[in-house]
Order: sequence, then C-alpha cells, then structure tokens
Amino acid sequence: DAKTTQPTSMDCAEGRAANLPCNHSTISGNEYVYWYRQIHSQGPQYIIHGLKNNETNEMASLIITEDRKSSTLILPHATLRDTAVYYCIDGAGYSTLTFGKGTMLLVSP
Amino acid sequence: AAGVIQSPRHLIKEKRETATLKCYPIPRHDTVYWYQQGPGQDPQFLISFYEKMQSDKGSIPDRFSAQQFSDYHSELNMSSLELGDSALYFCASSHGTLASTDTQYFGPGTRLTVL
Repeated sequence: DAKTTQPTSMDCAEGRAANLPCNHSTISGNEYVYWYRQIHSQGPQYIIHGLKNNETNEMASLIITEDRKSSTLILPHATLRDTAVYYCIDGAGYSTLTFGKGTMLLVSP
Repeated sequence: AAGVIQSPRHLIKEKRETATLKCYPIPRHDTVYWYQQGPGQDPQFLISFYEKMQSDKGSIPDRFSAQQFSDYHSELNMSSLELGDSALYFCASSHGTLASTDTQYFGPGTRLTVL
C-alpha cells in the first residue's frame, strides 16, 4: 500500500502556479521524496526528487518540510499540458515505486 | 536523449494464449522494472532485475515470468492469458548503483487487450 496521502484532485488556471501537497507520515530517514506524473495512459514521467533540502529543476520546485512529513510540488506557470495525475512516492530510487492514488491536476484556460 | 523502448505498443490476444512483451532500457542502465496498470488503476510493481538477476518481486502471477538478457533488455512472458490481464504494462529502467538517488525512467507502455 502507498505510504503517502494526496488530495484526489486540484484545479489550476493556466499561467498560475500549481501547488500540489503530499503527506509522508511514515517516511524513513534514508528515503527520498519522488514526484512523478502520468499524462493519460502514457508512461509515468519523472519530475523531481529530494531528501531534505528544497530542490528545483527545469520542470518544477520541491519544498520539503523540516520534519520531512510533508512536501509540496510547485509548477510555477502551469500550462494545459500539465494536466495529469501527479504522484508523490517515498523510497530509495533503486527500490520499487509504490504508486498511490495521486492527485488529478486539471489546468484550465 | 534516448528513452526506454517497449514493443509492441499494442497487443491483442485471445484467452489462454501467450504474450511476450519486450523492454529496451536506456543505454548504460542495468536495472529494469515491470509495472502493470489495469483500467482506472494505479501502476503496480510486478518484478525487477539488476545485472540480469531478479532483484525484487511484487504481485506477479505465477503465469508470468520475466528475464533480463546479456544486453540488458528484458522480456515479460505471459501465459494462459485471462481477461483480467488486459492492462497497460510499463517498463522502467535505472542505473543500478543501488544508490538512493537512482531514478526510474519509464517507457511508453504496451497496451495488452485479452479477448
């Protein structure tokens, strides 16, 4: 079973920032926070990961709280193509990924 | 950049037939993972291989088997197909240093339909 909890769905206006929260209540010290997304029926796409520091790449920013019990994925300027299911996953990268229900993000014009 | 390649992309089989799905990892990646995603479901881990040896096993039916070859490509063999095997099958690969930051990259998937 997935170890993270996320809202079922979220809406965002195109061009605005999308902030997707995730709770990691059982994350262990050596586990990373990974974010993936899946656009309808395509393969899951890696977005970003982090251990305890905030991270940023060309796709998104990741904010991890100091106690590591929650994280927020930020898409700074959402576009229609960002409509997807977003998954946050605890784990070591070489271990299997346990997908939960994820958050369905709908970006609208 | 090269990505994970899966073939075929679509496959239609009858019940009780067999199917073979293939996965070609990103160059220099030596770890392969297989996931199954049923209709309306989230991806579920099936099995993984590191350096041609099985490294982990999930909810893979006994009717399924898989292996990783010397060139690191992998094949998922499915026998006695059932209607419930209809799903998307994803392969992912990573550079298997067993470091915590090894990221899995997914292929486009194979859509299997069992009639």
